[in-house]
This record gives sequence, structure tokens and C-alpha cells, in this order.
Amino acid sequence: AQSVTQLGSHVSVSEGALVLLRCNYSSSVPPYLFWYVQYPNQGLQLLLKYTSAATLVKGINGFEAEFKKSETSFHLTKPSAHMSDAAEYFCAVRLFYNQGGKLIFGQGTELSVKP
Amino acid sequence: EAGVTQFPSHSVIEKGQTVTLRCDPISGHDNLYWYRRVMGKEIKFLLHFVKESKQDESGMPNNRFLAERTGGTYSTLKVQPAELEDSGVYFCASSQDGRFTDTQYFGPGTRLTVL
Repeated sequence: AQSVTQLGSHVSVSEGALVLLRCNYSSSVPPYLFWYVQYPNQGLQLLLKYTSAATLVKGINGFEAEFKKSETSFHLTKPSAHMSDAAEYFCAVRLFYNQGGKLIFGQGTELSVKP
Repeated sequence: EAGVTQFPSHSVIEKGQTVTLRCDPISGHDNLYWYRRVMGKEIKFLLHFVKESKQDESGMPNNRFLAERTGGTYSTLKVQPAELEDSGVYFCASSQDGRFTDTQYFGPGTRLTVL
């Protein structure tokens, strides 16, 4: 079965520090990969997506992620954290043969940013 | 352009009662998805509509859950009778054409508490 694993349910960084949120997937076929963010009392918002074009994907708010097939990973990074980045982040996968393209989510990682 | 809206934002009911959740997708989006997040768990797919037809309902937990999308516009998800384990956040998402690279836009969710 396809699955997504996010290492660390909670990550805390200092303002200005590197943000690294880990995501690994299991799939026997190339997937499409997504990162969503949920700010308090809001819906999920797409940060970026990998759809088999460039392996380094740039998203909104300075985030980027790199697809590494050999490591089955799609880690999310941002060079310098801002207080406004505090939120919950979700990695998701969609397989091309999934009827209708449902998303399979990881458990989520809550990011805290300390002043 | 209005995003995906969901009503109510919160619902507290007693075990055995009935609750109906509503989702209004982005105008023109034929694809509508329901997901659920039980506390401490990952977001899980429930079902997918294309216009008024159910494309995939493999994630519906049991026959106490009934989803409809009359006329291919808004959708309702009814839980009858509600059980304690139904508590969680119910998300609705919509997308334009359902391609695997298509973005699913999420609503803010309905937080359901069953006492």
C-alpha cells in the first residue's frame, strides 16, 4: 500500500534558522507529491507540488522541496524561518493510477518558530 | 473568487444524533472531495464526486455516512447515527478537472465533536 511518512510530529526552530521538514513516501511507481500548509483556523493551502518536471520545486513563501527518487524523499526546506511560518505542514502523494486522484497524506508536522 | 466554504465550522452533538455537513466548492469545479482527520491521525480520503456522480467512495467508513451532490454543485455529508469515533475535522476540497497534476483547494473544515 502506498504511504507517506513525515518524520517528527513537531519541529521547533529559531527565527532565521533553516527549516527542514522531512517526508518519505513508499510507492512502486513514480508519484506526484504535494506539500500543504494549514494556518490556525484556516483550510489547507498548497505550498508546492512535484509533477515529474524539475526535481527541485519552488513554492510560495520561500519554501522549496527536492524530489529524490533514490531516497524516496520529498523534504521541505526554507533557508530562514519567519514567525509567520508557524503552522502545520502536510506532505501528500497522489499516484497516477489512483482513480480520481485522491491524496494520501502524512501525519502532519507542526512547526513552531521561536523569537 | 470565493474559495471552498464549509458549514458549520463547528458542530457538537450527542451520540445517536444526526449531523449534516455542507460544502460549497469553487464555482466551476467539477471535482469535489471529502477528507477526514481524526485527532492525532493523518488526513484520510472519504470520497470523490465528479459533478453529481460518485467517482470513488472507497474511504467511506460505513453505511452511517451518506454523501450527496445534487445538481453537481454543493455537497452534503450526513452522519446518521453519529458515534463517538466520528469526531474529527471534516475537510472538503475541489479541483477543476481532476487531472493528476491538478491542485485540490481545501476548505477550512468542519470540526465535529460527538459526545
